[in-house]
Amino acid sequence: DQQVKQNSPSLSVQEGRISILNCDYTNSMFDYFLWYKKYPAEGPTFLISISSIKDKNEDGRFTVFLNKSAKHLSLHIVPSQPGDSAVYFCAASDSGNTPLVFGKGTRLSVIA
Amino acid sequence: KAGVTQTPRYLIKTRGQQVTLSCSPISGHRSVSWYQQTPGQGLQFLFEYFSETQRNKGNFPGRFSGRQFSNSRSEMNVSTLELGDSALYLCASSEGDSYSYGYTFGSGTRLTVV
Repeated sequence: DQQVKQNSPSLSVQEGRISILNCDYTNSMFDYFLWYKKYPAEGPTFLISISSIKDKNEDGRFTVFLNKSAKHLSLHIVPSQPGDSAVYFCAASDSGNTPLVFGKGTRLSVIA
Repeated sequence: KAGVTQTPRYLIKTRGQQVTLSCSPISGHRSVSWYQQTPGQGLQFLFEYFSETQRNKGNFPGRFSGRQFSNSRSEMNVSTLELGDSALYLCASSEGDSYSYGYTFGSGTRLTVV
């Protein structure tokens, strides 16, 4: 049973436009969420996180939105750059007390 | 500060053999987690060690085992390898005893079973 779902395996966006990556979760105990970016032949690197006491967190070009009632979060990248082309993983935890549960990832391609 | 180091980077083994993968966490990090990444399944949690004790375990068969040493370095072992064990094995270290600190991942060990 997949607790964290990234329903879009891939996404293609033009350079300079907005990229929106979506993530849904089923476990209502999850209250801490993270996004990781992964390039080929490298491990995932932490991008941005949000706890359930917030509904938005920004870091430069990256913003994560959390809709607790819908059990949905999204990552917005504005403007998108070719270097953003990577696989993005959504992850969730229960109060920091359980190992991170990851989605299957979304491959983002930013076209110049 | 050195990152998370995983060795070897690549490994080819035959079905039925066993394999040991190594992970050196960031200095000062006491928690080490292991994940398996396959194309269709994303990152699947294997187990996590904190101060030499296994704190959590994922839903993998007993052929998958691990341990952590007093210097926080960790090893994972897979016995009686199967073709389906071919995957990227990722190690991640974390600073504190809460997962909210997030993980720092190594580059992984690519295991191919033939």
